[in-house]
Amino acid sequence: QVQLVESGGGVVQPGGSLRLSCAASGFTFSSYGMHWVRQAPGKGLEWVAFIRYDGSNKYYADSVKGRFTISRDNSKNTLYLQMNSLRAEDTAVYYCAKDRGGPGSIDAFDIWGQGTMVTVSS
Amino acid sequence: DIQMTQSPSSLSASVGDRVTITCRASQSISSYLNWYQQKPGKAPKLLIYAASSLQSGVPSRFSGSGSGTDFTLTISSLQPEDFATYYCQQSYSTQVTFGQGTRLEIK
Repeated sequence: QVQLVESGGGVVQPGGSLRLSCAASGFTFSSYGMHWVRQAPGKGLEWVAFIRYDGSNKYYADSVKGRFTISRDNSKNTLYLQMNSLRAEDTAVYYCAKDRGGPGSIDAFDIWGQGTMVTVSS
Repeated sequence: DIQMTQSPSSLSASVGDRVTITCRASQSISSYLNWYQQKPGKAPKLLIYAASSLQSGVPSRFSGSGSGTDFTLTISSLQPEDFATYYCQQSYSTQVTFGQGTRLEIK
């Protein structure tokens, strides 16, 4: 079945780094753009980043630009989020999500993972 | 960035009620508006895309309308499983933004 499974979350000190992974199955991963979305405890959804199906274009929220890097390995059906210079305000559940639109466009997010928790604390 | 404002922020309703949630964009986004449902501890679920298209598998009591800056999500007859938080999201801009959410509670 169509599935996204995130991993790599945990507790990290301020200023530290973490890499999240999202393993995709049940669909042609290399044909779709992918997103990361986060949700701080008790708060709403915040879009983090998008990557085109082929990795050629990437977009970031201003809050993470210059600190986070989205990437993908289509041979492994896996999406990544490298997070550097982490701050307390980055504490959240991080979801990966599949874009339902064409290979290069941003549309609705039709498949979501279960999320992985990232806690930034000393 | 395009700001998305939902109203109300919370809403109490009863099973069988008709409920409408509004989402307003800070600039025109044509029909690039999507709606999601999220239950506690779960990932969001896509309900409506392109303002009015029902996602596969979503009950027909959910409907969406609007274009430009003003949009609505309507639930025609609330069911117990519909009590959740609802989010709108614009996909007009490469800087995707969500509304702040509307919490739908049981009266």
